[in-house]
Amino acid sequence: TQLLEQSPQFLSIQEGENLTVYCNSSSVFSSLQWYRQEPGEGPVLLVTVVTGGEVKKLKRLTFQFGDARKDSSLHITAAQPGDTGLYLCAGALDSGYALNFGKGTSLLVTP
Amino acid sequence: KAGVTQTPRYLIKTRGQQVTLSCSPISGHRSVSWYQQTPGQGLQFLFEYFSETQRNKGNFPGRFSGRQFSNSRSEMNVSTLELGDSALYLCASSLEPSGKNYNEQFFGPGTRLTVL
Repeated sequence: TQLLEQSPQFLSIQEGENLTVYCNSSSVFSSLQWYRQEPGEGPVLLVTVVTGGEVKKLKRLTFQFGDARKDSSLHITAAQPGDTGLYLCAGALDSGYALNFGKGTSLLVTP
Repeated sequence: KAGVTQTPRYLIKTRGQQVTLSCSPISGHRSVSWYQQTPGQGLQFLFEYFSETQRNKGNFPGRFSGRQFSNSRSEMNVSTLELGDSALYLCASSLEPSGKNYNEQFFGPGTRLTVL
């Protein structure tokens, strides 16, 4: 059973467009993280959100944690080809167990 | 500071064989977690070690095992390989075990295992 559902699964857009990736669950998480993974490499941590309603910005990337701490979103403004990759959300349950990952959103940004 | 290193990067084995993968965490990190990544299932947690003790274990058969040494380096072993074990095996290290410090993990590049 996948605790975290990510949508869309695939996204192909042109440079300059905006996009939003969603990460949803019926479970409550103590924290949620977003990673980006490029082909042949391991995931790289982008951000950790821990407070319900929290919004964090990382240059053109905006991350939001839902008020109930069950969902999160990643918004990219003016996407660039360098944003291409697999975006993964991962959550730690309140019980403190290991991270649960979504299956990811594969993003392709073409010039 | 050097990142997480995994060896080997690529491995080809045949069904029935066994394999050992190695992971060296970031210096000072004492927690090591292992994940299996496949296109169909995504990233799935295998197990976590902290201070040479297994803290958590995912839902994988007993053919998958691991250990951690006193220098925090970790190995995972898969015995009696099956075709379905073909995957990217990722190791991640963190300062503290899961449940603390928001479990921020730093991943290695992975070992690509192909079972023929």
